[in-house]
Amino acid sequence: KAGVTQTPRYLIKTRGQQVTLSCSPISGHRSVSWYQQTPGQGLQFLFEYFSETQRNKGNFPGRFSGRQFSNSRSEMNVSTLELGDSALYLCASTDLGAEQYFGPGTRLTVT
Amino acid sequence: AQSVTQLGSHVSVSEGALVLLRCNYSSSVPPYLFWYVQYPNQGLQLLLKYTSAATLVKGINGFEAEFKKSETSFHLTKPSAHMSDAAEYFCAYNAGNMLTFGGGTRLMVKP
Repeated sequence: KAGVTQTPRYLIKTRGQQVTLSCSPISGHRSVSWYQQTPGQGLQFLFEYFSETQRNKGNFPGRFSGRQFSNSRSEMNVSTLELGDSALYLCASTDLGAEQYFGPGTRLTVT
Repeated sequence: AQSVTQLGSHVSVSEGALVLLRCNYSSSVPPYLFWYVQYPNQGLQLLLKYTSAATLVKGINGFEAEFKKSETSFHLTKPSAHMSDAAEYFCAYNAGNMLTFGGGTRLMVKP
């Protein structure tokens, strides 16, 4: 099976702009989770979607949002970008098991 | 709330030496625990998982981990380090499809 794919891999945006990141899970996986990785805060959970519904949400401001489509693909959106949003954004998918499989990530740089 | 602590943000070993990366968790319920590895500019790769079936868990690349409930630990070991093991390693706890990560341990392998 193909792994989790994320697009784009790299992105440079300016403060105040918005950005949309995309994630395609492993075929058959219905749950998609998003994580933010920064040097200062480490790996932090953003949200999880299952069957197009947000099931869990981490402690991030409302500028961070996401959605999931009927084919399980997911997008996350960050509006009004701030310098502190510069990070590696990781997507993970899972089936009924507890383990999550990660994509390569999208490196977002906000200038 | 559950938490994961990794002792030692940096560990250096010589090639061929034993690798020991420490992870302690706090939880009031039986945990699902994982070790992930991250190579530069890549996502997270699952090394191994503990899901209560066996206390000694074998993973990929010769790594294994032992779950010790009395010590609330899940340390990662490998008998003989290889140069290709140099990477960052994360211990994680799964609670309701949300992974909580430790701060990570960067493993350096000296020739």
